[in-house]
Amino acid sequence: EVQLVESGGGSVQPGGSLRLSCAASGFTFSNYWMTWVRQAPGKGLEWVANIKQDGSEKYYVDSVKGRFTISRDNAKNSLSLQMDSLRAEDMAVYYCARAIYGRANDYWGQGTLVTVSS
Amino acid sequence: QSALTQSRSVSGSPGQSVTISCTGTSSDVGGFNYVSWYQQHPGKAPKLMIFDVSKRPSGVPDRFSGSKSGNTASLTISGLQAEDEADYYCCSYASTYRLVFGGGTKLTVL
Repeated sequence: EVQLVESGGGSVQPGGSLRLSCAASGFTFSNYWMTWVRQAPGKGLEWVANIKQDGSEKYYVDSVKGRFTISRDNAKNSLSLQMDSLRAEDMAVYYCARAIYGRANDYWGQGTLVTVSS
Repeated sequence: QSALTQSRSVSGSPGQSVTISCTGTSSDVGGFNYVSWYQQHPGKAPKLMIFDVSKRPSGVPDRFSGSKSGNTASLTISGLQAEDEADYYCCSYASTYRLVFGGGTKLTVL
């Protein structure tokens, strides 16, 4: 059974940093693109970043470029999102998702909440 | 990277069919056959219902179907059931491995 479990969410002040993790199991992690998607409270879904199977290619939504870094450790079946210079508008539930060739997401974690507030 | 346009809400009675539309541009919906649709119940993670415009993942009922014409994609749900009440989001490939979502449509089953 495919499982994705996010962790690392919490409360942080504007300008602060947070690192999210996603533990994957039930599939060959190194064979799949992976994605982070976020959802602000009461709002819609927003794609955040994609990373290729070997980590050699990474893509971001414009609003997080230069502030967020997606990475993966295939030996540990783990996906990460390093978030720096956090802003109020980054407050959201962050989902980790498995990607179908980087263009759709067939399995999702339960999400982890990031709160940015002074 | 502007969000795709979806109607805010749609409704239908049990057994009826409803169609949810998703309008983008030639740079996203119109430029690629990589539109996906997600169902999200309150407090839950999204669930993939359709990918690559019209393909259904294993386990998704064939009551759900997808199509595309030009810059507009559509999700049709036939034989509406109470459990179909949820938010639905379209998503399109927008360029090199970048994606863009629609604003979401709330489906109410009357």
